Parts: sequence; C-alpha cells; structure tokens
Amino acid sequence: DAMVIQNPRYQVTQFGKPVTLSCSQTLNHNVMYWYQQKSSQAPKLLFHYYDKDFNNEADTPDNFQSRRPNTSFCFLDIRSPGLGDAAMYLCATSSRGSSSYEQYFGPGTRLTVT
Amino acid sequence: GEDVEQSLFLSVREGDSSVINCTYTDSSSTYLYWYKQEPGAGLQLLTYIFSNMDMKQDQRLTVLLNKKDKHLSLRIADTQTGDSAIYFCAENKNQGGKLIFGQGTELSVKP
Repeated sequence: DAMVIQNPRYQVTQFGKPVTLSCSQTLNHNVMYWYQQKSSQAPKLLFHYYDKDFNNEADTPDNFQSRRPNTSFCFLDIRSPGLGDAAMYLCATSSRGSSSYEQYFGPGTRLTVT
Repeated sequence: GEDVEQSLFLSVREGDSSVINCTYTDSSSTYLYWYKQEPGAGLQLLTYIFSNMDMKQDQRLTVLLNKKDKHLSLRIADTQTGDSAIYFCAENKNQGGKLIFGQGTELSVKP
C-alpha cells in the first residue's frame, strides 16, 4: 500500500543534542510537509517542500531545518533541542496534481527532550 | 484572520449520531477537510468538501457546509466506540500550500 512512513516512532534526545527525524513516502507526491503538534493542540506547519523548493513558515524557529534529498525522503533536523521542542512531529504529503490538495499524514514521531 | 474554531469535547452514546461543528474565517478557502486522530497516531483523512458544495455523504459520514456563515459540520451516524478520537477540521489556504487546523474536538463514545 502507498503510504507515509516516519522513523523512529519515538525519539529521546538530550537538551542541546542535535536530532534528525525521518519521513519517507511511496505516494510519489511532490509536496512534503513537517508539522509540530504539542499536547492537546492543533498541528502547526513548520515548513514544506514543493519538489525541491523549500518554504519556511515565518514563525518557525531557526533551530528547525529540513532536507529533501529526493522525492521520497524528507528530514527534520533540530539543531539544539530545548525542552519546549518536545512534541509529536508529523510528516505529510500531497500532490499538486490533485485538485483537492488533500494531505496524507504519517504516524508521527514523538520527541522527548531530557 | 485565519482562525478555525471547534468545540473541545463531545460525548455521545453508542448508536447515536454525533455532530461535530467547526467555524472558519477565510472565505477564500477552496476545500475544507475532516481528519481523525487516535491516541498516539497521525492524522487520518476522513473526508473533504469543495467550497461550492453544501453537502457530501460518504457511508456513515455527512459533511454540511454553510458558506455564508462559514460553518462546517461532520455528522457520524450510528456512532461506535471505535469512533472515539479527536476530530480536526481544516481549511485550505493558497490552494494546497497550507492547511489551517482547528484545535480538535475530542469525541467520547460511551457504550
């Protein structure tokens, strides 16, 4: 089945220690998104790639960066995680060829910062 | 503004209908979506509606859209315990560039 895969599902990192979260997709979608979701809150868009074009949200902290080496993979790098960065991180994809622009989400990676 | 608002909690009995409501502010949104999130999981797309429609039905799910009042609702018929989850409505901005989510409605289904 075509899907969005996130690894790992649970990640523990230390305060200030860089961490990378991974997302891959078999949907061949040209748009990939990273969202941050804190407890009992709505997902908040951090940035997205339209093909290789990177689009950063204005309020995304500089501490968060992303890489998309090819169509299938996208990475979220947190350079110096703080306690406030503990959250669920959700990857999503969509196809600009679809008129309805719906986004398909992976299962998420729950990040704990100690 | 770009606020999407939902009530936070809804409790129903198994077998009853559930109606989850949402209001949005951006009249230029072309699509509106409903997502379901179970504990510890990602978001599952349930259904979506194009802004020039006023109703869409998909098995037990009925979406109603009142564009004049910017009001969206999701009706789940014959609600089951497996429907217990958080339901997010979302509006589409910039034709695919960004989804704005509501804060989610926690649906609790009691046997």
